[in-house]
Amino acid sequence: GQNIDQPTEMTATEGAIVQINCTYQTSGFNGLFWYQQHAGEAPTFLSYNVLDGLEEKGRFSSFLSRSKGYSYLLLKELQMKDSASYLCAVRDPTGGFKTIFGAGTRLFVKA
Amino acid sequence: DADVTQTPRNRITKTGKRIMLECSQTKGHDRMYWYRQDPGLGLRLIYYSFDVKDINKGEISDGYSVSRQAQAKFSLSLESAIPNQTALYFCATSDSHSRAAGANVLTFGAGSRLTVL
Repeated sequence: GQNIDQPTEMTATEGAIVQINCTYQTSGFNGLFWYQQHAGEAPTFLSYNVLDGLEEKGRFSSFLSRSKGYSYLLLKELQMKDSASYLCAVRDPTGGFKTIFGAGTRLFVKA
Repeated sequence: DADVTQTPRNRITKTGKRIMLECSQTKGHDRMYWYRQDPGLGLRLIYYSFDVKDINKGEISDGYSVSRQAQAKFSLSLESAIPNQTALYFCATSDSHSRAAGANVLTFGAGSRLTVL
């Protein structure tokens, strides 16, 4: 079956570092995505991993281990505007290359 | 103007009514998708279309239908709305001709909030 797990909520302090984990079990794998979604708004693309390792983009980094079915999103130097939901998604080529989403992790950044 | 436009943004309707949600895009993408989002469940795929002549069911297509009127337009219909179809609906697009990750990145509309009483 298809399953993507991530914590429901996390809280962190402004200026700190937070790591949001994601584990997945899918029929196939063709890439893992992280999206950011502010309350009441559309999800927006943050990062993409298809090979094992770390991808860095400014304050955001994403890591993938395909053998473990595991990814994390690392946010550094947290800002209040980083308060949002972070969606982990896997592209599964079986049955039509669909993108499957986890339920999302709501991150609260406090002063 | 937004790249992916959804109308209406908010709609309240009654059980049994027919509802159409419309999506249009100016990105020139070939692929279009309809998702619904419910608290605690994340985004779930309803239907997707890889080009004008292609329509595919997603994981939760029962009670819904779609029409791809043109490359830029993809509408979602609820033939007879029921309360458990109350949700936030997102249209998304992607471009199969982009290189590497770009081909798989989804661009979302602002969402259509539907309430069925």
